[in-house]
Amino acid sequence: NAGVTQTPKFRVLKTGQSMTLLCAQDMNHEYMYWYRQDPGMGLRLIHYSVGEGTTAKGEVPDGYNVSRLKKQNFLLGLESAAPSQTSVYFCASTTTPSMNTEAFFGQGTRLTVV
Amino acid sequence: AQTVTQSQPEMSVQEAETVTLSCTYDTSESDYYLFWYKQPPSRQMILVIRQEAYKQQNATENRFSVNFQKAAKSFSLKISDSQLGDAAMYFCAFSPDMRFGAGTRLTVKP
Repeated sequence: NAGVTQTPKFRVLKTGQSMTLLCAQDMNHEYMYWYRQDPGMGLRLIHYSVGEGTTAKGEVPDGYNVSRLKKQNFLLGLESAAPSQTSVYFCASTTTPSMNTEAFFGQGTRLTVV
Repeated sequence: AQTVTQSQPEMSVQEAETVTLSCTYDTSESDYYLFWYKQPPSRQMILVIRQEAYKQQNATENRFSVNFQKAAKSFSLKISDSQLGDAAMYFCAFSPDMRFGAGTRLTVKP
């Protein structure tokens, strides 16, 4: 029962470096989401996907890109990391949100940009 | 865009007492779902309770219950007989957008 798995769990980047966060789910969920969590601001939606091959912008998409080439994977990319992107990143997945189903979350990735 | 507002950054309750966490939302949708999630220090997000907007009856899960006021767009969480293990961040969430509030940090005093 893996559920939602995020890789890596921790990462330190230098300003300007790039990296990709991987989210993998084994529940055959259609919808996947990337959030960032900052103190006092809750979880803010970065990007989301409603199915394989589709992505859409959330509340705070600037500086991030995403891809959903396979249904089970949702990648979050930082092309040129900035200190403002220091945060804890969460991935989540759900079946169709119009149904009364909960979102399942990964364990989070703590990213520090120095 | 839908918004979710939690106006209480921090709350405190004595063990065995009752506490209510507030949440309001704004939407033009008529059919939606509301959730409360708990995030303990482990960072894991745990579903506490859910409410379907078309149901008038308030949801209940053991010591957790909600007061859902659709007209007022209010969705508060009541925790009865608070336990030390209830200490966590609590987030209100709105679906189908999967938008979250800023969270309320609950402290339980022994």
